[in-house]
Amino acid sequence: GAVVSQHPSWVICKSGTSVKIECRSLDFQATTMFWYRQFPKQSLMLMATSNEGSKATYEQGVEKDKFLINHASLTLSTLTVTSAHPEDSSFYICSARVWDLGDTQYFGPGTRLTVL
Amino acid sequence: GNSVTQMEGPVTLSEEAFLTINCTYTATGYPSLFWYVQYPGEGLQLLLKATKADDKGSNKGFEATYRKETTSFHLEKGSVQVSDSAVYFCALSPRGNEKLTFGTGTRLTIIP
Repeated sequence: GAVVSQHPSWVICKSGTSVKIECRSLDFQATTMFWYRQFPKQSLMLMATSNEGSKATYEQGVEKDKFLINHASLTLSTLTVTSAHPEDSSFYICSARVWDLGDTQYFGPGTRLTVL
Repeated sequence: GNSVTQMEGPVTLSEEAFLTINCTYTATGYPSLFWYVQYPGEGLQLLLKATKADDKGSNKGFEATYRKETTSFHLEKGSVQVSDSAVYFCALSPRGNEKLTFGTGTRLTIIP
């Protein structure tokens, strides 16, 4: 149980285009989802926290107009990287949490974004 | 602010060797402490956790003890296997706060 999927697993796009990444909780309803970014050989950095039906809370330094997060249902959150540039190339990881499973976050496998 | 410092890798060990991956933290109050593992091609999985001082988390032969006096949460295993090859992340979340702060990760490779 407690499986989180991400789609796509990798994507290559041209500079200036927008890319949408989906995060789904497959067998539970996630009241809260988190989006992280991981640079090579570095730690996961929390980008934003999203609660179903409300606006996401972004961490300091993360541009909310650049990284659009929508948590429209209890099983789906999306991250859209708008007008992507090469510096946005990274590994994006989501996680999901539900209260009755304690304070554990369940992570997706990640999405590798490469912007040319 | 909160931070986690963990042993830099990569770490390469022979099968059945003893493993220690060091982790120290900086936080106010009494955070919860975690070890996550990421196997190749997979997402992070919770390996073990401890929520208060002197608690010992354990799973799959791995152990870590919450040491408040040294602000540490070192990961240990008495006899590693090839299947333990993965990247290990130490993390904390402040009391009553669900946000996780991660260390940089330690890549572990076990050779037969």
